[in-house]
Amino acid sequence: GAGVSQSPSNKVTEKGKDVELRCDPISGHTALYWYRQRLGQGLEFLIYFQGNSAPDKSGLPSDRFSAERTGESVSTLTIQRTQQEDSAVYLCASSLLPGADTQYFGPGTRLTVL
Amino acid sequence: QKEVEQNSGPLSVPEGAIASLNCTYSDRGSQSFFWYRQYSGKSPELIMSIYSNGDKEDGRFTAQLNKASQYVSLLIRDSQPSDSATYLCAVKKGGSTLGRLYFGRGTQLTVWP
Repeated sequence: GAGVSQSPSNKVTEKGKDVELRCDPISGHTALYWYRQRLGQGLEFLIYFQGNSAPDKSGLPSDRFSAERTGESVSTLTIQRTQQEDSAVYLCASSLLPGADTQYFGPGTRLTVL
Repeated sequence: QKEVEQNSGPLSVPEGAIASLNCTYSDRGSQSFFWYRQYSGKSPELIMSIYSNGDKEDGRFTAQLNKASQYVSLLIRDSQPSDSATYLCAVKKGGSTLGRLYFGRGTQLTVWP
């Protein structure tokens, strides 16, 4: 596609529910990143998929967070038993090669946990 | 100590002035440095990257890097109201963390006509 796409654009959920966020990277990009941005804050790294190598999960804040990616295609970020502190914009980015400098960001998913 | 720190904003400059945005980082092994612009409600957009000491110019933007001082800055000359946005400094380290970016909290810039 022309750019990184994410869905849904907005998600409102109740505390304790599970949510699944989707990212569709730029076609041919082998690396995919998830970041979280709380209101007024910078971007917080969550997880990085690099081609066929094991993902870097070091940024996931708790075991309620998980992410998957099949090959070089779509990725899903799942948050189980959501808490109010999970409310944030979740941004996905992709780059052509693992470690390549330019990361292209999607529009983000705004998650609100009531 | 945070990985990347930016000078606190908001920063307000008149149209036509030079806006100076500053950033420091903690890891001397950092290899690549980036400035992203983020308009309100939008995703970050890469505007400058710099890898070696000195200045790098691109139009009205100049990035400056001083690895000895662990300092990177962004100058915007002839500031325009359309430059009003939050500017995020990002750093890439080497080694096992290759790929992930460490972001500062951002500096909000307002250019008033």
